[in-house]
Amino acid sequence: EVQLVESGGGLVQPGRSLRLSCTASGFTFADYAMIWFRQAPGKGLEWVGFIRKKTYGGTTEYAATVKGRFTISRDDSKSIAYLQMNSLKTEDTAVYYCSRDDMRGKLFDYWGQGTLVTVSS
Amino acid sequence: DIVMTQSPDSLAVSLGERATINCKSSQSVLYSSNNKNYLAWYQQKPGQPPRLLINWASTRESGVPDRFSGSGSGTDFTLTISSLQAEDVAFYYCQQFYTTPWTFGQGTKVEIK
Repeated sequence: EVQLVESGGGLVQPGRSLRLSCTASGFTFADYAMIWFRQAPGKGLEWVGFIRKKTYGGTTEYAATVKGRFTISRDDSKSIAYLQMNSLKTEDTAVYYCSRDDMRGKLFDYWGQGTLVTVSS
Repeated sequence: DIVMTQSPDSLAVSLGERATINCKSSQSVLYSSNNKNYLAWYQQKPGQPPRLLINWASTRESGVPDRFSGSGSGTDFTLTISSLQAEDVAFYYCQQFYTTPWTFGQGTKVEIK
């Protein structure tokens, strides 16, 4: 059974850092790009960024709102994708979700339950 | 950035009746080389992650009831629920993944009349 489990969320002060994890199981993690989305309380969905699979260079892309502050990485040996969030702002408060993309037409089919990040002093 | 605009923002439909949600993109999301529309539809209920309903504008995801269908091409898309059930009360979002930044519509709230 495919599972994606986000963790690492919590309350953090503005300007501080936090690292989220997306732990995958039930599929060959290395065969998928991993995607991060977020949803501010009571708001719509926003794409954060993704990391391609190693066979596509393992490169990353980010939304303009997080570029330069957030970094996505992956550890294929542990089946974990990370979202390192630096210089956090109050507007980064959201539930953060991860999803997957096999880069061959199967994408967004599984999502984690999300982890809440609250940026507040 | 591609702007996705959904209409209406909310709609109330009687049980068993048809619900139609529209999604318009500010530029085409049809990739000419493979003739695929890079457009997805999601359902989201309170406290839950989004659930993929439709991918590539019209391909129903495995396990999704056949009362859900997607149509359209280029810049204009529609999600149709042919016979609304109580469990369909939710927010619905369209998303383009034709080019980054991937963008979503603002969402449509579907309720029972």
